[in-house]
Amino acid sequence: GAVVSQHPSRVICKSGTSVKIECRSLDFQATTMFWYRQFPKKSLMLMATSNEGSKATYEQGVEKDKFLINHASLTLSTLTVTSAHPEDSSFYICSARDNGGGGYNEQFFGPGTRLTVL
Amino acid sequence: DQQVKQNSPSLSVQEGRISILNCDYTNSMFDYFLWYKKYPAEGPTFLISISSIKDKNEDGRFTVFLNKSAKHLSLHIVPSQPGDSAVYFCAASSRYGAGSYQLTFGKGTKLSVIP
Repeated sequence: GAVVSQHPSRVICKSGTSVKIECRSLDFQATTMFWYRQFPKKSLMLMATSNEGSKATYEQGVEKDKFLINHASLTLSTLTVTSAHPEDSSFYICSARDNGGGGYNEQFFGPGTRLTVL
Repeated sequence: DQQVKQNSPSLSVQEGRISILNCDYTNSMFDYFLWYKKYPAEGPTFLISISSIKDKNEDGRFTVFLNKSAKHLSLHIVPSQPGDSAVYFCAASSRYGAGSYQLTFGKGTKLSVIP
């Protein structure tokens, strides 16, 4: 089946530093990847849509200069949290849409990255 | 405004009985619906989906029912097993317009299956 990996699974950093999270589709190509953020006891909130070879599309209220997204290949998208602050602490999840998949819109999710900013 | 609503934050069911998780939506442009299962500190796992041209889709113990006129869908799990205990998210999407293929999620329902 379609597998999406995320790295790292957990990261603790100091306030003011930048953190990069990688999202890879392991056995399929993904023109489109999505980045979500989940707060405790809340739903998944879409942050941005990452398109291979073009600029990401950010949801309203998400700072594009703070959450840098790069989708350099059909199997890799990265999210960089710049100048991280404690309020950025959260669970970040990526998903990828299988270009050649039979399902119309099945997104396959990575295992998530727990970011803690001290 | 929440476009996908899961009004029950939690549900407890005895092992072997049926679990019914409900989901309502408000956007009539949604034409594809999905259910995901999520364990703590893990990404969601796709369970089952349904297109708006159907009213039922079945996969093993999981069946999704769609009532377009009521803008309501439900996930039935029968028989329920302790391993089904997780948070279940309902999601919807539209292939048209800006943001096509994006998923809009409900807040989730935590299912506990009691042995």
